[in-house]
Amino acid sequence: GAVVSQHPSWVICKSGTSVKIECRSLDFQATTMFWYRQFPKQSLMLMATSNEGSKATYEQGVEKDKFLINHASLTLSTLTVTSAHPEDSSFYICSARRRPGLGGADTQYFGPGTRLTVL
Amino acid sequence: AQSVTQLDSHVSVSEGTPVLLRCNYSSSYSPSLFWYVQHPNKGLQLLLKYTSAATLVKGINGFEAEFKKSETSFHLTKPSAHMSDAAEYFCVVSDRTSYDKVIFGPGTSLSVIP
Repeated sequence: GAVVSQHPSWVICKSGTSVKIECRSLDFQATTMFWYRQFPKQSLMLMATSNEGSKATYEQGVEKDKFLINHASLTLSTLTVTSAHPEDSSFYICSARRRPGLGGADTQYFGPGTRLTVL
Repeated sequence: AQSVTQLDSHVSVSEGTPVLLRCNYSSSYSPSLFWYVQHPNKGLQLLLKYTSAATLVKGINGFEAEFKKSETSFHLTKPSAHMSDAAEYFCVVSDRTSYDKVIFGPGTSLSVIP
């Protein structure tokens, strides 16, 4: 159990367009989902934390109007990169955490990542 | 405050020899500790975790790690490296009172030489 999927796995878009990335927990309910960004040969950088039904909490330096996060259900969170530019090109990874009180609620389960390239 | 140090940015071992990836942490609270592996262009896979039970934790693929509070360490080991173990490894610490506060180490790249 504890499988997280992301869609799409890779996307290429033109500068100025918006891109939506989906993160789904397939076999568990995730009250909290996290969005990370990873540059080549670097560690993961937390962008934001989203709790189902409430606004996301963004890390310092992350533009909330640029990276729109919606956590509409217990199994789905979306990240929309608005007006994407080449510097937004990166590997975006989501993770999900189970509902507190259930086994494994201390662990983040990661999706396979989405490679975004902005031309 | 919490932090994670992975002492080696890159480790190279021969196939069949032991693997040691080092991790030291600092935490103001009782930590939970995790090791994740990331293969190229893939997401992170949980290898093992320490929460509050046994200090020697066994994970998948023959990996294990020992939590040593006195040394604030959580080193990852494997008796015999396999070619498929070549990947990036991340040590992660979280505050057991608030699992949203997760700190990633910088990562260690493991190369396995045939």
